[in-house]
Amino acid sequence: KAGVTQTPRYLIKTRGQQVTLSCSPISGHRSVSWYQQTPGQGLQFLFEYFSETQRNKGNFPGRFSGRQFSNSRSEMNVSTLELGDSALYLCASSLGGGRTTDTQYFGPGTRLTVL
Amino acid sequence: AQSVAQPEDQVNVAEGNPLTVKCTYSVSGNPYLFWYVQYPNRGLQFLLKYITGDNLVKGSYGFEAEFNKSQTSFHLKKPSALVSDSALYFCAVRAIPTSGSARQLTFGSGTQLTVLP
Repeated sequence: KAGVTQTPRYLIKTRGQQVTLSCSPISGHRSVSWYQQTPGQGLQFLFEYFSETQRNKGNFPGRFSGRQFSNSRSEMNVSTLELGDSALYLCASSLGGGRTTDTQYFGPGTRLTVL
Repeated sequence: AQSVAQPEDQVNVAEGNPLTVKCTYSVSGNPYLFWYVQYPNRGLQFLLKYITGDNLVKGSYGFEAEFNKSQTSFHLKKPSALVSDSALYFCAVRAIPTSGSARQLTFGSGTQLTVLP
């Protein structure tokens, strides 16, 4: 079974631009979570989607948004990029539903650099 | 609120020696605990999890972890380290019961493990 895929793997943008990252979960997984990883802040939760609905949201500004499609694929968007948005953005998928014992499986990440 | 502490930023061990990467947690109620490993320029790879039952959990690549409720710890162990085990290790917790924000994973700051040949 194919793992979680994320595209693109690398992105370079300039301040003020916007960016869209894509995540395809493992087949059969309905929950997608996004995390930001930086050397200073570590791994921080952005949001979680399940059945096309945002189920959970971390403490990030409104410039960070996401959505999920009917095939469970997810996108996240960052508008008005700032230098501090440079990070590795990780997507994780899990079966979802009410299973709190779910394991999240991570994709390889998208490395975003903001100049 | 839930939190995870990994008290050691760096752990060095000689190849063939046992290794331990420490993790302590804080949650309201009972926890679900996870270990992940991250190799350079890669995503996180699941190693093992504790849900309930036996306090010693066995996972991938010969790793195991011991859940200690009284000490709120979930240390990762391996009897004999390999150079290829060198990587960044993350402990994570999710509280039970879960709803809303409690459903998310909270990660520790990570421990860089270096296995010396």
